[in-house]
Amino acid sequence: EVQLVESGGGLVQPGGSLKLSCAASGFTFSGSAMHWVRQASGKGLEWIGRIRSRVNGYATAYAATVTGRFTISRDDSKNTAYLQMNSLKTEDTAVYYCRRGVSGSDWGQGTLVTVSA
Amino acid sequence: DIQMTQSPSSLSASVGDRVTITCRASQSISNYLNWYQQKPGKAPNLLISPPSNLQSGVPSRFNGSGSGTDFTLTISDLQPEDFATYYCQQSYTTPDTFGQGTKLEIK
Repeated sequence: EVQLVESGGGLVQPGGSLKLSCAASGFTFSGSAMHWVRQASGKGLEWIGRIRSRVNGYATAYAATVTGRFTISRDDSKNTAYLQMNSLKTEDTAVYYCRRGVSGSDWGQGTLVTVSA
Repeated sequence: DIQMTQSPSSLSASVGDRVTITCRASQSISNYLNWYQQKPGKAPNLLISPPSNLQSGVPSRFNGSGSGTDFTLTISDLQPEDFATYYCQQSYTTPDTFGQGTKLEIK
């Protein structure tokens, strides 16, 4: 059974940093691209970025709204993807999901990030 | 970026009804269109992946069609568990983008 479990969310002040983790199991993590998607309360889904697999050079891509502030990485030995978020803004407040692949049949349960003073 | 426009943004229907949700891309995405269902407090659930493939376990009353820029999700014989929010997503190019969602409510 595929499982994706996000962790690391919480309350952070504007300008602060937070690092989310996405622990994966039940599939060949090293061969999968991993994506991050967020959803503000009562709003729609926003793709944040992705990291490809080793054979694809661990290539990353980001949404314009987070470029330069967020960084996606992965540790294939730990079957874990990460989202490092710096210079956080109040508008970054959302539930953050990790997702396997571009046609996402597998999502985590989400972790809430609240950016507030 | 490719813009995805869904309509309507909300929809009221009754159990047993047939409803259609449309999704339009700002440029051709071939058939790289996914449909998701999301219920409150839950992650999105993939219903249909390209090219209009129904995911395992998804009832056959869900049907996706279209190509190019215009797509539809049709739900026949609505059941109580179908009342949720639906999103389209293009997976043709990065960044993958979502429609704004269609909230399907009980009339």
